[in-house]
Amino acid sequence: GAVVSQHPSRVICKSGTSVKIECRSLDFQATTMFWYRQFPKQSLMLMATSNEGSKATYEQGVEKDKFLINHASLTLSTLTVTSAHPEDSSFYICSARDRGRNEQFFGPGTRLTVL
Amino acid sequence: AQKVTQAQTEISVVEKEDVTLDCVYETRDTTYYLFWYKQPPSGELVFLIRRNSFDEQNEISGRYSWNFQKSTSSFNFTITASQVVDSAVYFCALSELIYSSASKIIFGSGTRLSIRP
Repeated sequence: GAVVSQHPSRVICKSGTSVKIECRSLDFQATTMFWYRQFPKQSLMLMATSNEGSKATYEQGVEKDKFLINHASLTLSTLTVTSAHPEDSSFYICSARDRGRNEQFFGPGTRLTVL
Repeated sequence: AQKVTQAQTEISVVEKEDVTLDCVYETRDTTYYLFWYKQPPSGELVFLIRRNSFDEQNEISGRYSWNFQKSTSSFNFTITASQVVDSAVYFCALSELIYSSASKIIFGSGTRLSIRP
């Protein structure tokens, strides 16, 4: 149990377009999901925390209008990178907190390349 | 504020050697979790261990062992008889507010471990 999926696993897009990344908890309910960004050879940096049915909380320095987060259900959170630019190219990883257990589980990540 | 420091950026050892990855943390909470994750080239994080701040017992799992010392705020990770498959980036991490839905995991900068045949 405790599987988190992300879709797509890899995406290439043109500069100026928007890209949506999905994060799903497959076998548990997640009241809270977290979005991380990892640049090459760097650590995971928390971008935002999303709670089901409410607005996301963004970390300092993360533009909320550029990185739109929607946590519409207990099993799905989406991250939309709006008007993507090459500097947004990164590895995006989500994690989900199991409602029934005090644990977080990570998705496999989405590699975004903006040309 | 919480902070995790992994001073070793890269380590390279020959296969079968033992290797220890250091982790030092800062937190104002008395209750917290410490973690180690492995990130192979594929990018997917592999969970290795979670330790509750109440439990200072060392842990051993096969070739892996962890030494948690609250007095020095350290949570070091040792691989015994290293193998080429152990090559990866290893992250130490910390989570405060462990009983809150707002609890978030903060990562150290990572240590890139290379095991040479």
